[in-house]
Amino acid sequence: DAKTTQPPSMDCAEGRAANLPCNHSTISGNEYVYWYRQIHSQGPQYIIHGLKNNETNEMASLIITEDRKSSTLILPHATLRDTAVYYCIVRVWVTGGGNKLTFGTGTQLKVEL
Amino acid sequence: GAVVSQHPSWVICKSGTSVKIECRSLDFQATTMFWYRQFPKQSLMLMATSNEGSKATYEQGVEKDKFLINHASLTLSTLTVTSAHPEDSSFYICSAPKHTASYGYTFGSGTRLTVV
Repeated sequence: DAKTTQPPSMDCAEGRAANLPCNHSTISGNEYVYWYRQIHSQGPQYIIHGLKNNETNEMASLIITEDRKSSTLILPHATLRDTAVYYCIVRVWVTGGGNKLTFGTGTQLKVEL
Repeated sequence: GAVVSQHPSWVICKSGTSVKIECRSLDFQATTMFWYRQFPKQSLMLMATSNEGSKATYEQGVEKDKFLINHASLTLSTLTVTSAHPEDSSFYICSAPKHTASYGYTFGSGTRLTVV
């Protein structure tokens, strides 16, 4: 699986958009970009994933550059409850799962009043 | 949907004793379960992969005789930390892949193990 690079920490004001970058310059054509987050002392929570098109769901938007070497997770209106470590992971998606997820160091997002 | 229930959420045990952690898939069949360990302020590190009805696969450096994994059914996988020592104190998390593309993986809520 391709390696990812994320800033170790970011701050965001409540109500503002949080833009979390991820660099994955060695991504392969069949690798997806996944985002998970981990609130303190809980298991990771799925946020969103994409292959090459931008994606949006009720939690966030995912913007993937045309060359697929980087992406940005956007939380449109961050709240205090969005304070967590955000992990960007790239991997091949296999029908039925089965491949392990490898976590990097992630970005600690702190949302403040 | 796709919930993995992990128990206990926290446990304190004495050195030398064994502790069992359970992960149950509540509304789907988990043929594979991944077990992670997380030390404070660090990322999740994969320990082993369990497959229903077969032996678990351990990552390099993880002692298979110390961390016993059993995956006897499609809805239950267990991790037993045997002869626990203080250095085994950590946050243990299980994860199972979903059989659709959307989620990828669902995680248990984690078990905080403290060995005293």
